[in-house]
Amino acid sequence: DGGITQSPKYLFRKEGQNVTLSCEQNLNHDAMYWYRQDPGQGLRLIYYSQIVNDFQKGDIAEGYSVSREKKESFPLTVTSAQKNPTAFYLCASSPGMGSYTFGSGTRLTVV
Amino acid sequence: GNSVTQMEGPVTLSEEAFLTINCTYTATGYPSLFWYVQYPGEGLQLLLKATKADDKGSNKGFEATYRKETTSFHLEKGSVQVSDSAVYFCALSEENYGQNFVFGPGTRLSVLP
Repeated sequence: DGGITQSPKYLFRKEGQNVTLSCEQNLNHDAMYWYRQDPGQGLRLIYYSQIVNDFQKGDIAEGYSVSREKKESFPLTVTSAQKNPTAFYLCASSPGMGSYTFGSGTRLTVV
Repeated sequence: GNSVTQMEGPVTLSEEAFLTINCTYTATGYPSLFWYVQYPGEGLQLLLKATKADDKGSNKGFEATYRKETTSFHLEKGSVQVSDSAVYFCALSEENYGQNFVFGPGTRLSVLP
């Protein structure tokens, strides 16, 4: 079955470390997205990519970086510049027009 | 710019009660409208959608009608179950906005047995 896989499900980061969250899709979707969700809050867009080798900043891109070298993959790196990274991170993909398909999320905690 | 407003939560209902979650939107063109549901610790799942005015989306007993005149897309269910407890997000997608979604803040629903 087609879908989006996010890994790991839980991730712990030490102060000053960079960590990378994986997002892989086999839906042949052109567009991919990263959102951040804080407890009791809605979704905030971090980065999005509408085509391979191209991506744009969302509303809260500072302290994050992405790459889109393959259509199937859109990894998110949380850098040490992100001062408050503890959150639930959601990846989504879309065929360009129509609904989003979401992964099951990665919960990142700073220890 | 485009935006989505949802009723404040949390909403707490008894099993078999009638549910309404209000959603209104602002858009520059003709958006498609969606409801997503998020169960604890999981990602969002598409619940239903409508792509043009007067369309009714429906799924699992939930319904919502695209009302262009009131710019609304309220979610309803006639008889909720404990298993419907989740967070519900209203969202819109518009071609003039690069097809990127705009999500509402979410409404938490708790259904008590």
